[in-house]
Amino acid sequence: DIQMTQSPSFLSASVGDRVTINCKASQNINKYLNWYQQKLGEAPKRLIYNTNNLQTGIPSRFSGSGSGTDYTLTISSLQPEDFATYFCLQHNSFPLTFGSGTKLEIK
Amino acid sequence: EVKLVESGGGLVQPGRSLKLSCAASGFSFNDYWMGWVRQAPGKGLEWIGEINQDSSTINYTPSLKDKFTISRDNAQNTLYLQMSKLGSEDTAIYYCAPDTFDYWGQGVMVTVSS
Repeated sequence: DIQMTQSPSFLSASVGDRVTINCKASQNINKYLNWYQQKLGEAPKRLIYNTNNLQTGIPSRFSGSGSGTDYTLTISSLQPEDFATYFCLQHNSFPLTFGSGTKLEIK
Repeated sequence: EVKLVESGGGLVQPGRSLKLSCAASGFSFNDYWMGWVRQAPGKGLEWIGEINQDSSTINYTPSLKDKFTISRDNAQNTLYLQMSKLGSEDTAIYYCAPDTFDYWGQGVMVTVSS
């Protein structure tokens, strides 16, 4: 199984900050990496698919990058509605595996 | 509009079985692999498994393969998750989604407790 190590687990930031969240795979996942945002009591929402493709309707302040085993979600200028938990998902091979999550809170 | 509605959850005693359903609409259900994901209270997401379009291939996360069975009825646009030998560790919100994981249902809560 591919292990996804997500960091940091917790992130405190201010509105307007630029933040990055990382996921490291235990082996090459060929850019088959999605990013999700989840707010309390809601289902996850896909932000980015296949490393760097922005989901329709998602603001352009969200972006993704990476290759091989290392992937990054960047939020260029935090907005109040961005405070949530973020997860990565590798879908290169079965079983699919999620990162453990990053909780982004207001400083 | 894509809609996924999970049902069948609730309180179940340890050791018992439960079958969840996911009614899909707004997309061509029989063109997609479909999957289940769960989330224990306050925890992260766990992929359970996926089934292909004609049910000929089903993949599971290894730790759940002997307890859970995924099936589908393309005529009814419905996905199922049969869960057996339930334990407290199976208490979670269960979500269904197409294998693109771009649309998700609202989830259904399963609580395993005596």
